[in-house]
Amino acid sequence: DAGVTQSPTHLIKTRGQQVTLRCSPKSGHDTVSWYQQALGQGPQFIFQYYEEEERQRGNFPDRFSGHQFPNYSSELNVNALLLGDSALYLCASSLVLGLDYEQYFGPGTRLTVT
Amino acid sequence: GIQVEQSPPDLILQEGANSTLRCNFSDSVNNLQWFHQNPWGQLINLFYIPSGTKQNGRLSATTVATERYSLLYISSSQTTDSGVYFCAVELPGTASKLTFGTGTRLQVTL
Repeated sequence: DAGVTQSPTHLIKTRGQQVTLRCSPKSGHDTVSWYQQALGQGPQFIFQYYEEEERQRGNFPDRFSGHQFPNYSSELNVNALLLGDSALYLCASSLVLGLDYEQYFGPGTRLTVT
Repeated sequence: GIQVEQSPPDLILQEGANSTLRCNFSDSVNNLQWFHQNPWGQLINLFYIPSGTKQNGRLSATTVATERYSLLYISSSQTTDSGVYFCAVELPGTASKLTFGTGTRLQVTL
């Protein structure tokens, strides 16, 4: 049973550039959420995709956008990168089944903005 | 917004010792999960426990939703238990959106 996978593992970008991160959910899951984890802090919710639409969004600017594909995989795009965007980006998947929303996380993409 | 506080913030144990980690939350929640984040950043699911008690090997967890807290027990700790432990809650009406606690950093020494 394949777990949540993310790519790339590490990424270095320059301020002002754009970046795309990718996530494949756990087999059988249909909902993907993205989180940002700054050094020394807990993960912060960015947004969530279900049925190819953004269903919920956290307190992040419009520079953060995403997409979900028909196979449930997802992308996170960040435009006009700032130094403060340096963080571990985590993808989580779950299955909308009754009220059971247990989340499973991928290994993360570590983004460094210089 | 909801506050999720964990205690203690830091904990150092000798191998073989037992410990209790606490998670307090300020509002009613639908669900609660405990995670262990290893040194490489991977969040590992420990328990999905909106209420009641569960056990998995040397770990067990109890959530008392009416009193807004959850406890994670680690018995006979091992060096591989080192890392950061997070609780995360899901508010009513926010399916699958987790709000994480402040974390407990655990170091187990020989």
